[in-house]
Amino acid sequence: GQQLNQSPQSMFIQEGEDVSMNCTSSSIFNTWLWYKQDPGEGPVLLIALYKAGELTSNGRLTAQFGITRKDSFLNISASIPSDVGIYFCAGPGGTSYGKLTFGQGTILTVHP
Amino acid sequence: NAGVTQTPKFRVLKTGQSMTLLCAQDMNHEYMYWYRQDPGMGLRLIHYSVGEGTTAKGEVPDGYNVSRLKKQNFLLGLESAAPSQTSVYFCASSYSGEGGTEAFFGQGTRLTVV
Repeated sequence: GQQLNQSPQSMFIQEGEDVSMNCTSSSIFNTWLWYKQDPGEGPVLLIALYKAGELTSNGRLTAQFGITRKDSFLNISASIPSDVGIYFCAGPGGTSYGKLTFGQGTILTVHP
Repeated sequence: NAGVTQTPKFRVLKTGQSMTLLCAQDMNHEYMYWYRQDPGMGLRLIHYSVGEGTTAKGEVPDGYNVSRLKKQNFLLGLESAAPSQTSVYFCASSYSGEGGTEAFFGQGTRLTVV
């Protein structure tokens, strides 16, 4: 099946720092999604990318759909304590059925 | 705005016991999914459904069964629970169509098998 490799696995940063994480796929994706999971909750969609090269922002978050269509990047600027959580990249599971394949997640800890 | 609702939220089972997890969505979505989340493994797809009356296997289907008798409900069953099924289970739903892959998740069910 399709593989998504997400890095880094975890990050410990100070409040105010910028954060970058990325996701690579073993095959081409037509859609990249970035989710955030707060402790004890289900994942919630942050940003959706539908076109190679696309750069999309949502507040302090910016995500890019890689030109090769095999990678994507998520940046968080000026981190705050509520950014704590697990960030997942996701993409279509190889067909148009709508199911998603998820990366392993990046655990973000922000120290005040 | 209920969205996707999972019951129960917590459950402890003894090895060999059976149980059913219920997922309900009120968004009229065609697709529904069951994932399990384990540390360092991300979310892995167990089973999914592309519409009422249909189900299909995902990445890790062994030991689980599902049913989609009504469009709004997707049930996940464990016939004989094993400690390896200790996990957090998430249900999700999405609307159909090319590129329509945004999934909405429930809050999860934490299952412990002892």
